[in-house]
Amino acid sequence: DARVTQTPRHKVTEMGQEVTMRCQPILGHNTVFWYRQTMMQGLELLAYFRNRAPLDDSGMPKDRFSAEMPDATLATLKIQPSEPRDSAVYFCASARRSNEQFFGPGTRLTVL
Amino acid sequence: SQQGEEDPQALSIQEGENATMNCSYKTSINNLQWYRQNSGRGLVHLILIRSNEREKHSGRLRVTLDTSKKSSSLLITASRAADTASYFCATVLYNTDKLIFGTGTRLQVFP
Repeated sequence: DARVTQTPRHKVTEMGQEVTMRCQPILGHNTVFWYRQTMMQGLELLAYFRNRAPLDDSGMPKDRFSAEMPDATLATLKIQPSEPRDSAVYFCASARRSNEQFFGPGTRLTVL
Repeated sequence: SQQGEEDPQALSIQEGENATMNCSYKTSINNLQWYRQNSGRGLVHLILIRSNEREKHSGRLRVTLDTSKKSSSLLITASRAADTASYFCATVLYNTDKLIFGTGTRLQVFP
């Protein structure tokens, strides 16, 4: 039963701290997406990769956010320094090109 | 701004009734997808309809797509309490892999 996994599931941190979220896409999926979900903004696409190369990160605040894929089995999203307005649920999803996306369970981030 | 706008924002029905949700979008698309999200969980893909298709069925789900009106609808027939969730339409922008989500419809099905 192939699934996208994300760690941690919950993270509470203080403003100014670095936060790293990890995602393991489904084996064989060549496209990986990072989303953020809040009550106010809904689901926003932050960045996505194809074959580990970043294709679009226009939805991401560049000054504090960075997304990487060190290898095909790991995608990371870092926030440094974190701010209270970053509090949200962050989802990773993987897919084969423009087909259905498979979402992970999300990381619920709270920045105090 | 988000690509898709959905209505209604919230819908409450009794078990056994049908639920219809509508989605409008703004630009050319490769395909349109519907997802479901249970409270506190990740999204689950329900159905995908390509831009050259007009209607698609999957179990109790029926999706229509009108590219001339840039709109889609999701019909859930014979609803069940377990269908209670938020439903999102998402469009894949033409010539990209970007999936842009609508605002979602919160469906409550009462037993």
